[in-house]
Amino acid sequence: EPEVTQTPSHQVTQMGQEVILRCVPISNHLYFYWYRQILGQKVEFLVSFYNNEISEKSEIFDDQFSVERPDGSNFTLKIRSTKLEDSAMYFCASKFGQGAAGELFFGEGSRLTVL
Amino acid sequence: AQSVTQPDIHITVSEGASLELRCNYSYGATPYLFWYVQSPGQGLQLLLKYFSGDTLVQGIKGFEAEFKRSQSSFNLRKPSVHWSDAAEYFCAVGAGQTGANNLFFGTGTRLTVIP
Repeated sequence: EPEVTQTPSHQVTQMGQEVILRCVPISNHLYFYWYRQILGQKVEFLVSFYNNEISEKSEIFDDQFSVERPDGSNFTLKIRSTKLEDSAMYFCASKFGQGAAGELFFGEGSRLTVL
Repeated sequence: AQSVTQPDIHITVSEGASLELRCNYSYGATPYLFWYVQSPGQGLQLLLKYFSGDTLVQGIKGFEAEFKRSQSSFNLRKPSVHWSDAAEYFCAVGAGQTGANNLFFGTGTRLTVIP
């Protein structure tokens, strides 16, 4: 069964360092997302991406964050200068179609710990 | 603004007992509602979804949920719980122009199943 894969599963970094989280969405999917879950809190929407551009982003997704689909298969989330409060589980998701018909498939998550 | 409330942080049930997980939502338009399950070390898996039509929806693994507009609720039920159902359960409401472009999640309910 096709699945969304994420790497790394866990990354520990120092505050101020740049981090790149990688995702390989399901191959025929067109819409891509990043969500995050701070420990003990709800899963929060960060950004959606379609046709090589951001289609929607939340207020969490500030200038420190960026997304890219560099090669047609990977979908990356970059945090330019990490802060302690960026420590969270980051989930990548993808779906084939727009709207209600498209089921969102999630990866297993990348846990980021900022020291 | 969209929001989801899951009032129960943690529920413990005996194997074979019935289960109901509560979810209340706030959304100005017709909601698109989802239940996801997250097993330890796993990503979020869609259990079921409601867009329109029959207010009682069937999902995978024997789960069902009932949409009650008058109560702004979408409670998840299972008549007989199995030990493998132990996991974190998230209710979500779809938002965005087409109703499912991004999801707003509740804080989750952790289910423990005892023998």
